[in-house]
Amino acid sequence: GESVGLHLPTLSVQEGDNSIINCAYSNSASDYFIWYKQESGKGPQFIIDIRSNMDKRQGQRVTVLLNKTVKHLSLQIAATQPGDSAVYFCAEDAGGTSYGKLTFGQGTILTVHP
Amino acid sequence: GAGVSQTPSNKVTEKGKYVELRCDPISGHTALYWYRQSLGQGPEFLIYFQGTGAADDSGLPNDRFFAVRPEGSVSTLKIQRTERGDSAVYLCASSLNGQGAGETQYFGPGTRLLVL
Repeated sequence: GESVGLHLPTLSVQEGDNSIINCAYSNSASDYFIWYKQESGKGPQFIIDIRSNMDKRQGQRVTVLLNKTVKHLSLQIAATQPGDSAVYFCAEDAGGTSYGKLTFGQGTILTVHP
Repeated sequence: GAGVSQTPSNKVTEKGKYVELRCDPISGHTALYWYRQSLGQGPEFLIYFQGTGAADDSGLPNDRFFAVRPEGSVSTLKIQRTERGDSAVYLCASSLNGQGAGETQYFGPGTRLLVL
């Protein structure tokens, strides 16, 4: 569930497992969603995106699922590797007069054990 | 090619001082964004430039914060009379056109500001 302050949600997996990271977004008018990966001391790195007219999009080892009915987004990482360890953020873009103004979730810490 | 760069990477200042943070976007990107990230939180939007003009500055917390982009490339975020609560990582991002939702924003490494 959601956490406050330093207590980010965490997910710990073994190398080779599949990982699923979840995100609840807030604005039903949002029409573009992005997953970012952030390693310690670095800026967010784009992973994959999806528009609101889609419910699934696949990349290399990653899949994003969008459920607009319940305002839920998930990131699936196949065959998770130690290099995938990072904080993962979902972000939404409401478009319209607010386009470009990304709203980020709090993030999930993914730890991959060799 | 080169990504978004930010300088300095770290800045320590005293309460009440003035600071400037610089962002060099990806070459050719017309849209530039500033975000602030506090410890354990996701980035929060501050301001967005389309070319030289601020298209949306609704995220600036108060009038101590100001940003410019005079030639439509490099941007400077300026903070006057810094307060301890301004301590955070200041992130800059750029995107190609910034016209309409659905354009990928590429982030720099951030400037870590500590106000003592």
